[in-house]
Order: sequence, then C-alpha cells, then structure tokens
Amino acid sequence: QQQVKQSPQSLIVQKGGISIINCAYENTAFDYFPWYQQFPGKGPALLIAIRPDVSEKKEGRFTISFNKSAKQFSLHIMDSQPGDSATYFCAATDTNAGKSTFGDGTTLTVKP
Amino acid sequence: ETGVTQSPTHLIKTRGQQVTLRCSSQSGHNTVSWYQQALGQGPQFIFQYYREEENGRGNFPPRFSGLQFPNYSSELNVNALELDDSALYLCASSPGQYSETQYFGPGTRLLVL
Repeated sequence: QQQVKQSPQSLIVQKGGISIINCAYENTAFDYFPWYQQFPGKGPALLIAIRPDVSEKKEGRFTISFNKSAKQFSLHIMDSQPGDSATYFCAATDTNAGKSTFGDGTTLTVKP
Repeated sequence: ETGVTQSPTHLIKTRGQQVTLRCSSQSGHNTVSWYQQALGQGPQFIFQYYREEENGRGNFPPRFSGLQFPNYSSELNVNALELDDSALYLCASSPGQYSETQYFGPGTRLLVL
C-alpha cells in the first residue's frame, strides 16, 4: 500500500520558471513532512520541511504549501535554476513510530 | 562535525550469499535508520535502531537484520540474497528517538547477480 503519492514523475522547466511538485498522503498519524533533494550518486539531503499545524513555509526560493484537510502538500521552487536539476522526494514521518514514508520521486530538469 | 558515512560504496554479490553493510552515524546522533532505494523509486524504510535496540521495522522479511553498537554505528545484514535485493541501501542518523530530521549517508550500491 503506497501511503504517499507523488506527482509528476518528471518535470522540465525553463530557467527562471516555477517548479511545482505535489504529494498526497493517507495516514493521519504522519506529523512531519520533509522534502529531500537527491543528486546522482548521493544520498537524499533535507531541503525544507513542515509540520501539519502550519499551512505554508518558505525558505529562500523553496516554499511548502500544506493542506491538512485534503491531506496534500506541495513544493514550489521559484526562479528555478539549472543547479536545481535533481530528483525530489516528498516524505511523511510518523515521529512516534520513527518511520518515514517516501514518495517515488520527481526528476526535475531545469533548462538554461 | 563528521557526517554520516557508509561502507562499502559498491558491492557485487551472487544470489544466496550474505552481505553486511556498515554505517557511522553523525557525531552526537544515537538513532540510525536503514532504507532500501530501488532504481527509480523512493527509499523504503527497513528498520530503525535507537540506543542499540530496534525501534521500528518496515515490511521487510527477517533475513534483513541489523545491529547498533555502543558508539551508535550500525550494520545491516542481509541473508540469502535475492536478485530483487539489488538496490541502493541508505543509512540515516538523527539526534533522538523521536527526532524529525534525518541526515542521510551516500549509500551502498548492492548488485546481486
């Protein structure tokens, strides 16, 4: 049972554009929602995260929007740059169980 | 401050063999989680260790086992390897049992032939 669904699978954006990646979850026990960035040959690196009591969090060019009632959250990358080209994973964490469930990832390509 | 390190970086085994993967957690971190990342997929939670005890487990068979040592480093052991075990194995450490933030190592790429 896939508990975190991520879309789209791949995304191509022009330099300076906005990249949007969406995730949906099912388990209401999740209480922490991080986004990870992964480059080829590397482990995932935490990009930005949000707790369910907040509807939006912004850090630089990266923004998470969170809709608790719809059980959906999204990552927005403003002014996308070629260096942002990577695979992005959303995750949902049940901190009491010590378990994170990941989406299947979105491969972002930013064209110069 | 040293980040999470894993060894070896790459490994080739044959079906039926056993493998041990190692992880050194970030300084000050007492919790280690292991994940399996198949090609083109997100990481799948295998289990977590907190202060040398298994703290949670995902949907993996018992032939996946682990250890955490007093210095909080960890091992992942896989017995009776199957072709589908070919994947990137990721270790992540965190500063506490209920910590939200995990720091991932670079992974060990395992190929089972």
